[in-house]
Amino acid sequence: KQEVTQIPAALSVPEGENLVLNCSFTDSAIYNLQWFRQDPGKGLTSLLLIQSSQREQTSGRLNASLDKSSGRSTLYIAASQPGDSATYLCAVSFRNRDDKIIFGKGTRLHILP
Amino acid sequence: EAEVAQSPRYKITEKSQAVAFWCDPISGHATLYWYRQILGQGPELLVQFQDESVVDDSQLPKDRFSAERLKGVDSTLKIQPAELGDSAMYLCASSGYTFGSGTRLTVV
Repeated sequence: KQEVTQIPAALSVPEGENLVLNCSFTDSAIYNLQWFRQDPGKGLTSLLLIQSSQREQTSGRLNASLDKSSGRSTLYIAASQPGDSATYLCAVSFRNRDDKIIFGKGTRLHILP
Repeated sequence: EAEVAQSPRYKITEKSQAVAFWCDPISGHATLYWYRQILGQGPELLVQFQDESVVDDSQLPKDRFSAERLKGVDSTLKIQPAELGDSAMYLCASSGYTFGSGTRLTVV
């Protein structure tokens, strides 16, 4: 069964710290992996998309890496800010661009001012 | 910037009543997805359309849920009758996984 797991489920860190969110998946034959942000009661905002042929993607203070052989991805947030507080979801498409994506349960991040 | 439109944003309904949600994907996007997200969980696929055809509805509780996309453009998801356990966020996504803002359903 294809599964996506995120650890930790919740994380609180002081403002300014760098932090890493983890995602693992059961099948290394993935098509792509995405990281989403979700604010309370809101929809999903795509942060970074990594194709299976790529090792990492960067956007501003965010960097996502992909290691298919170990079935892992990390989202690195540099110099965290209170506005980064949200739930971060990892999602994997296993077959092709239009295949359903399987989500992890998310990591709830709280940045302490 | 093109967006996926969903309505209503919030819906409160009594159990055993019927409820419907609407989604209008980004223009020209052939693939449309409905996901359900229970509080504290990740979204799970309910149904996937390619144009007007259902590609995957294996996780759709067909005894009470139905979905249609008659002209291959906008889509409606219906629940009849609603149960307490249906309380969740219902999310629509377009090709390439652009998500709408969702409909938060509360069944009382």
